[in-house]
Amino acid sequence: TQLLEQSPQFLSIQEGENLTVYCNSSSVFSSLQWYRQEPGEGPVLLVTVVTGGEVKKLKRLTFQFGDARKDSSLHITAAQTGDTGLYLCAGGRGSQGNLIFGKGTKLSVKP
Amino acid sequence: ETGVTQTPRHLVMGMTNKKSLKCEQHLGHNAMYWYKQSAKKPLELMFVYNFKEQTENNSVPSRFSPECPNSSHLFLHLHTLQPEDSALYLCASSQGVSAYTDTQYFGPGTRLTVL
Repeated sequence: TQLLEQSPQFLSIQEGENLTVYCNSSSVFSSLQWYRQEPGEGPVLLVTVVTGGEVKKLKRLTFQFGDARKDSSLHITAAQTGDTGLYLCAGGRGSQGNLIFGKGTKLSVKP
Repeated sequence: ETGVTQTPRHLVMGMTNKKSLKCEQHLGHNAMYWYKQSAKKPLELMFVYNFKEQTENNSVPSRFSPECPNSSHLFLHLHTLQPEDSALYLCASSQGVSAYTDTQYFGPGTRLTVL
């Protein structure tokens, strides 16, 4: 059973466009993290959200944690080619570091 | 060297071989992790070590054997692997093991192919 569903699986857009990717679950998580992974590299943490309804902004990236702490979204404004990569969400339960990852959204931003 | 390093970056082995993956963190962290990343599957946690003690074994087959001699080094010993074990093996480290406050820093991974 896939606990964290990410959609879409693949997304190809032109530079300057906006996009939103989603991370959904039927389970409640105490925290939700978003990572970006580039080819040949390990994932790099972008943000951690812990409060239902929380919104965090990181330059052109906006992250939202659902009110019920079961889902999250990542919105990118005016995408750039440097945003290309695999975006992973990961849910945490309690204070332990055992994260449950989604399969990821592979984003390609073309010039 | 800074961050988390992994060697080798690529490894091809036969099913009867024995090999080891090495991870080293230069961040002064206390916790280290092994993850498996396969195509079309989510990143899977394999093992967690905190202060050199194994705190999590996520039902990993015994053909994978971890070793953590100190807080800076983590090994994954491999023997009699199967082709389905081919994947990217990622190491990570963090200061503690809280999902709230302890960021996990990942290495670049070892791309393993089992023939």
